Amino acid sequence: KQEVTQIPAALSVPEGENLVLNCSFTDSAIYNLQWFRQDPGKGLTSLLLIQSSQREQTSGRLNASLDKSSGRSTLYIAASQPGDSATYLCAVGIQGAQKLVFGQGTRLTINP
Amino acid sequence: SAVISQKPSRDICQRGTSLTIQCQVDSQVTMMFWYRQQPGQSLTLIATANQGSEATYESGFVIDKFPISRPNLTFSTLTVSNMSPEDSSIYLCSVWQGPASSAFFGQGTRLTVV
Repeated sequence: KQEVTQIPAALSVPEGENLVLNCSFTDSAIYNLQWFRQDPGKGLTSLLLIQSSQREQTSGRLNASLDKSSGRSTLYIAASQPGDSATYLCAVGIQGAQKLVFGQGTRLTINP
Repeated sequence: SAVISQKPSRDICQRGTSLTIQCQVDSQVTMMFWYRQQPGQSLTLIATANQGSEATYESGFVIDKFPISRPNLTFSTLTVSNMSPEDSSIYLCSVWQGPASSAFFGQGTRLTVV
């Protein structure tokens, strides 16, 4: 059974810092990995999608990496801003990428 | 991309009653998914809803408790039946448009059962 773990559960940093969020999964047979952002009352927003054949994806200040063999992914946020404060969720796609198995998230607070 | 509208956004319900949550997508999609997010927990898949067939439920979820309808390619409903306080959660609708696409989510329905 695929299990996804995110560390740390919560993180508070001052504005401007670069930071890394971690995600690990137990079964390397994944189709893809996605990072989402969850804001209260606003559902989930997809940030980055990495296919199993890829090693990283970038969007603006965000960079996500994937190492299937070690069962790990990282989300790097550069020059953090207060607007980055949210819960970040990692999810792996299984069974043809149709189903997502989520980690429990990292609650990020960026202090002005 | 897909825009998903979910209704209601929140509700407070009495135990023993039922609530139907609606999910409307702005484009036709083959597969729609319903997730539950219990307080302080991550998202757990309840079921997959395909148009024209019975929904497929994940382990621990049953049709009598969470009946799902999928009348067409843009709409689905999830009913939470005979509610108890343990059903207090956020329920989210999601669509998938193929392995090269991200998953898209509605804004969620925050349900509180008292």
